[in-house]
Amino acid sequence: EVQLVESGGGLEQPGRSLRLSCAASGFTFDDSAMHWVRLVPGRGLEWVSYISWNSGNIGYADSVKGRFTISRDSAKNSLYLQMNSLRVEDTALYYCAKGVRGNPYYFDYWGQGTLVTVSS
Amino acid sequence: QSALTQPRSVSGSPGQSVTISCTGTSSDVGGYNFVSWYQQHPGKAPKVMIYDVYKRPSGVPDRFSGSKSGNTASLTISGLQAEDDADYYCCSYAGRYTWVFGGGTKLTVL
Repeated sequence: EVQLVESGGGLEQPGRSLRLSCAASGFTFDDSAMHWVRLVPGRGLEWVSYISWNSGNIGYADSVKGRFTISRDSAKNSLYLQMNSLRVEDTALYYCAKGVRGNPYYFDYWGQGTLVTVSS
Repeated sequence: QSALTQPRSVSGSPGQSVTISCTGTSSDVGGYNFVSWYQQHPGKAPKVMIYDVYKRPSGVPDRFSGSKSGNTASLTISGLQAEDDADYYCCSYAGRYTWVFGGGTKLTVL
């Protein structure tokens, strides 16, 4: 059974940092592209970042480019999102989602999310 | 990376059909056959209903269908059922390893 379990969310002040993690199991992590997607209150889903199976290709939404860094660790079957220079508008429920082997263009499994609140 | 445009809400009675539109540009919806649709119930994770414009993952009822014409994609749900009451989001690949979602549509089954 595919499982994606996010952690690392919490309450943080503007300008500070947080690191999100996503523990993956039940599938071959090394074969799968991975994404971070957030659910923003009142605005819906927003795609955040992508990393290919081998970390060779990475993409970011304009709203987080230069502040967030995606990475993965195959030895730990884990995905990460380093979030620096946090803004109030980064407040959201952050999901990790996996791409299908050979087709990274949609998200076939999602975690339950970790809540990030940015407020002074 | 502007969000795709979806109607804020649609509604229908059980047994009826509804269509949700998703309008983008030639840089996203119109430029790639990589449109997907997600259903989200309150407090739950999103679930993929359609991918690659019209393909249905196993387990998704054939009441759900997808299509695309130019810069607009559509999700049609026929034979509405109470459990279809949820939020629906379209998503498109937008090139250079980026994706864009629509603003979401609240489907109410009357």
